[in-house]
Amino acid sequence: RKEVEQDPGPFNVPEGATVAFNCTYSNSASQSFFWYRQDCRKEPKLLMSVYSSGNEDGRFTAQLNRASQYISLLIRDSKLSDSATYLCVVTSNFGNEKLTFGTGTRLTIIP
Amino acid sequence: NAGVMQNPRHLVRRRGQEARLRCSPMKGHSHVYWYRQLPEEGLKFMVYLQKENIIDESGMPKERFSAEFPKEGPSILRIQQVVRGDSAAYFCASLSGDRAYEQYFGPGTRLTVT
Repeated sequence: RKEVEQDPGPFNVPEGATVAFNCTYSNSASQSFFWYRQDCRKEPKLLMSVYSSGNEDGRFTAQLNRASQYISLLIRDSKLSDSATYLCVVTSNFGNEKLTFGTGTRLTIIP
Repeated sequence: NAGVMQNPRHLVRRRGQEARLRCSPMKGHSHVYWYRQLPEEGLKFMVYLQKENIIDESGMPKERFSAEFPKEGPSILRIQQVVRGDSAAYFCASLSGDRAYEQYFGPGTRLTVT
């Protein structure tokens, strides 16, 4: 079983729609949780950290459920520029923040 | 404040040659992580270094790969006797150590082995 699992998509969504991504992780000792985005042939960029209390940054909302080992990302009012691959990422050890990546969910926003 | 820098951005090597990839972390960052992304796959952790120390190399192939982060200068990922399967994008990321959980990635080096 993969440590971090995501639906690979692709998700093709009309501009202005709301889209939700889900992710599950297998290591109950995981400590920190993130969403990164990666554009084609570019480096991953940190989108947001994810907390148990949930957090929001503009049109983006992330949620963590530690009991279910489940992470979500919601994008509201999607824009063409949101087209990218979204990576669910966890770390497991204090003092060694190596990132474990999901394979990513590809999103395309359609005009 | 310059971001994480990597060079070269593209590197072509013939089978059997050596590849050297360089990473300069963000100013003030003393922790470097290397990741590899094979074509159509996710990123995989390779090695974690602090200045002059390898902290975790559990993701490094046992042979042909080595990494260092000297007191002065960039971190180097070295691949000896490259094979076609080494073709990938190699990313490094740095973090400061005090905001321990936010890693910032360099633009990557795309290695092609012919």
